[in-house]
Amino acid sequence: GAVVSQHPSWVICKSGTSVKIECRSLDFQATTMFWYRQFPKQSLMLMATSNEGSKATYEQGVEKDKFLINHASLTLSTLTVTSAHPEDSSFYICSCRGANYGYTFGSGTRLTVV
Amino acid sequence: AQSVSQHNHHVILSEAASLELGCNYSYGGTVNLFWYVQYPGQHLQLLLKYFSGDPLVKGIKGFEAEFIKSKFSFNLRKPSVQWSDTAEYFCAVTPNRDDKIIFGKGTRLHILP
Repeated sequence: GAVVSQHPSWVICKSGTSVKIECRSLDFQATTMFWYRQFPKQSLMLMATSNEGSKATYEQGVEKDKFLINHASLTLSTLTVTSAHPEDSSFYICSCRGANYGYTFGSGTRLTVV
Repeated sequence: AQSVSQHNHHVILSEAASLELGCNYSYGGTVNLFWYVQYPGQHLQLLLKYFSGDPLVKGIKGFEAEFIKSKFSFNLRKPSVQWSDTAEYFCAVTPNRDDKIIFGKGTRLHILP
């Protein structure tokens, strides 16, 4: 079945630094990738939608300059949290949509900013 | 505002009890509907989905859901729950066949052995 790999699974960084999270579709081409964040005991909040080769579409209230999304190929999207602060600590999850209209989720990245 | 509503935030049941988790959405037009499960410490897994056709959808692990268009509902059911069903359940919708999935706030299900 479709597999999505997300890396790293967890990361701790210092306040003010940037962190890059990768999302790869391993056995299918993802025409669209989605980035979510999940706070403890809360639902997944969609941050942005990205299509290969074009700029990401951000949801209202999400700072595009802070959360940089690059979707350079049909199998890779990256989310960079720039100048991270403790309030950015969260669980970030990617989802890939393939040609069969299926959505596959990555295992998530737990970011802790200290 | 358009949304996905899950009415039960926390449900506690004994093993073998029947389960029904409510989900309502407020988007008009054609929607796709999903139920996902997140077991403790694990990532999201798809339980079932509805795109078109028979409104009664069978999923994995004995779960099913019924799409009732007139009620904008997509409730999840299981006739007899097991301890291993303890998890968080999320209803989700793609509004108007738009690509993005919008999630409900989730229902935490706790099954007592």
